[in-house]
Amino acid sequence: GAVVSQHPSRVICKSGTSVKIECRSLDFQATTMFWYRQFPKKSLMLMATSNEGSKATYEQGVEKDKFLINHASLTLSTLTVTSAHPEDSSFYICSARSPSGTQETQYFGPGTRLLVL
Amino acid sequence: GENVEQHPSTLSVQEGDSAVIKCTYSDSASNYFPWYKQELGKRPQLIIDIRSNVGEKKDQRIAVTLNKTAKHFSLHITETQPEDSAVYFCAASAGGSYIPTFGRGTSLIVHP
Repeated sequence: GAVVSQHPSRVICKSGTSVKIECRSLDFQATTMFWYRQFPKKSLMLMATSNEGSKATYEQGVEKDKFLINHASLTLSTLTVTSAHPEDSSFYICSARSPSGTQETQYFGPGTRLLVL
Repeated sequence: GENVEQHPSTLSVQEGDSAVIKCTYSDSASNYFPWYKQELGKRPQLIIDIRSNVGEKKDQRIAVTLNKTAKHFSLHITETQPEDSAVYFCAASAGGSYIPTFGRGTSLIVHP
């Protein structure tokens, strides 16, 4: 089946620093990847849709200058949290569509837990 | 945009009992309804999905029903086991972009 990985799985950083999270599709090419944010015991909130070779489409209320998304290749999308603050602490999950599955099927990465001190 | 409501937020059952989780959606254009299971600290995993051209789909102990007229769909788990304990999310999406809108999740606890 389609496998999506994320790195790092956990990161602790100081307030004001930037953190980069990588999302990779390991055995397929993903033209579209999604970035979600999840608070404890809450649902998945879509932050942005990342298309290979083009600018990401951000959901309403998500600061694009705060959460930089780059989808430079068909197997890699990155999310950079710039000048992180404690309120950015959360669980960030990416997902990708596999061309071998149905058009609608998404495969999720294992998530990255970010803690900003 | 789409709005998905999910109930209950918490469901506690005894092992062997059935569990039912219900979702409603607002956009009549939605035609794909996946269900995900997320164990604590792990990634959501697709467990079953249904498209709007069918009313019911079953996979072993799991079944999903869809009522397009009423715009609601439900997840049914029979003969629950402790390993079914997790958070379950419903979602709805429409053709074209297929970007899903998720429900708030249901925490299912199966007591041995």
